[in-house]
Order: sequence, then structure tokens, then C-alpha cells
Amino acid sequence: GAVVSQHPSRVICKSGTSVKIECRSLDFQATTMFWYRQFPKQSLMLMATSNEGSKATYEQGVEKDKFLINHASLTLSTLTVTSAHPEDSSFYICSAKVRGGTDTQYFGPGTRLTVL
Amino acid sequence: QKEVEQNSGPLSVPEGAIASLNCTYSDRGSQSFFWYRQYSGKSPELIMSIYSNGDKEDGRFTAQLNKASQYVSLLIRDSQPSDSATYLCAVNKSGGYNKLIFGAGTRLAVHP
Repeated sequence: GAVVSQHPSRVICKSGTSVKIECRSLDFQATTMFWYRQFPKQSLMLMATSNEGSKATYEQGVEKDKFLINHASLTLSTLTVTSAHPEDSSFYICSAKVRGGTDTQYFGPGTRLTVL
Repeated sequence: QKEVEQNSGPLSVPEGAIASLNCTYSDRGSQSFFWYRQYSGKSPELIMSIYSNGDKEDGRFTAQLNKASQYVSLLIRDSQPSDSATYLCAVNKSGGYNKLIFGAGTRLAVHP
């Protein structure tokens, strides 16, 4: 139980393009999903908290206009990296909390973004 | 002071030994504590959660919580080379913030 999927697993794009990453809870409903970024050999960095049906809450220093988050249903959140640049290349990981459950976060497998 | 602190390691233990991983946190209002394992290039996977003072055992893993000392630990018995990974301690942020604060992780290396 508590399986989270992400798509795509890897993406390579040209500088200036936009990339959309999907995060789905497969066997549970998630009112809250989280988006993290992790650079090589560094720790997880929370980018934003995504709540179903409402605006995302972004962490300090994360540009909301560059990282667009949509949580349109209880099983799907999307992160769009707009006008991507090489410095946006990173490992993007989503997690989800079970609706009505504890604080436990279940992580997706991650998306490795490379911007050329 | 970091909100969640872990020794970065690497912690090197021989196969079959007990690995002891430690974590301290600063938020006295925290009520939920987690250990995740992250293999290189992969996302974190949940090992254990603990909410009450004392020990909680699950197979080869034992989590220990001491809220008075603001200390959480993870013991891995009979360590295997496949346990070699980075172990992340996570603590809920109190005050209705609805998020976990992660430590930077401790890298564990189990050698044959």
C-alpha cells in the first residue's frame, strides 16, 4: 500500500523550454503532496507543499512563477518547471500523505531533469 | 542550530555488526519521527515511524525516541552490505506547518 508514482522518470530538455512532472498516489487519496529537489550529494530540499483544491505553499526562496504546482485531484499533483535553465537540472521528488492519516510521507521514485 | 542534525558519516561497520544512527532535533513540539533510507540515485523509502518515548522494533530495525533529550536513534542489527545507504531522520514541524524537516542524512557503509 501507499504507492506513489512519478512521470517521467528522466527528462532531458533544451534551455528555455518547460517541463511538466506528474506525481500520482496509486492506492490512496492524498490531500497533501510535497515537492522536493535534491542536488548531487546534498540533502532533500522542500520546494513546496501542494494541497488539493488550493494554492501551493512555497518555501522561502522558491520562485512560484518558475515552479508551477497544480493539485487538481486527490491523486494527482503536477510540477511544471517553466523556462528551464541548466541550473534547474536536479532530482525532483514528490511525496504524499494519506488523506486522514498520519504525518508519514510516502515518496515517489523521483524525476531526474537535465537541462542542456 | 539546524532543526534536525545528523552526523554525515560515513559510518563504517562490518557485516553482522550493529549500526547505530543518531539524530537530534530542536523543535520541542514535534510529535512524529521517521527514519528513511535512501540509496544512491534513488528516492527515500520509509523504514520506521515512532511517536512515543521508548523503543519500537521492526525486524532488524529498532527506533528509539527520547523526547526529553530531543533525540532519536535507529539501530540496525546484523548489518548487511545491502544496508549501505544514506539514512535520513525526519521530524514533523509543530505549529500546524504540515511538513517534515529532514536531516542531511548519515551515510552508512557495511563492509563484508
